[in-house]
Amino acid sequence: DSGVTQTPKHLITATGQRVTLRCSPRSGDLSVYWYQQSLDQGLQFLIQYYNGEERAKGNILERFSAQQFPDLHSELNLSSLELGDSALYFCASSGTAAAAYGYTFGSGTRLTVV
Amino acid sequence: GENVEQHPSTLSVQEGDSAVIKCTYSDSASNYFPWYKQELGKGPQLIIDIRSNVGEKKDQRIAVTLNKTAKHFSLHITETQPEDSAVYFCAASSAGKSTFGDGTTLTVKP
Repeated sequence: DSGVTQTPKHLITATGQRVTLRCSPRSGDLSVYWYQQSLDQGLQFLIQYYNGEERAKGNILERFSAQQFPDLHSELNLSSLELGDSALYFCASSGTAAAAYGYTFGSGTRLTVV
Repeated sequence: GENVEQHPSTLSVQEGDSAVIKCTYSDSASNYFPWYKQELGKGPQLIIDIRSNVGEKKDQRIAVTLNKTAKHFSLHITETQPEDSAVYFCAASSAGKSTFGDGTTLTVKP
């Protein structure tokens, strides 16, 4: 157990629907990062939050949004889902805002859009 | 933005042999270079890292080298074992985020 908790582990939903992925960071970590892992694209950075504030943004679609709550857990919301959104979504946490230390990854949420 | 290229995409070695994975990066501001190992069904796990003020770092059978001038860094695994079989990712970090390479699938044959 890495200390980063992601729920649910698996999610199957239909095109056009909206889902919410949840992440609880490792105890004491203030930064949360979201990554998308598709079969042919490796790990794509989506967004970073630090202590409740958005710190960095990657190739996150406008249909996707995220937030970090006062208790530091984070949610990634995916709406108007398309078949191409099927992927593994990883949350990672670290103790700092700068990416100067390694991340601790959760075990991911596998999203299947049918 | 940062671009990280990783080679090879697949690597097969005999148990006991060495394995080398190479990455190049584009952003000269990147100053932290972690390597992650991802086993089937799990999230990536940090195995070793190196900072831009260091040229080489070793941890038992794993070593990483960094050439800042050429903007490339490499992972070396010696005396490979079947349990080293996994996907390995390099990353280059700056401005608050890590950019990952596309991964190398390492297979160690007994």
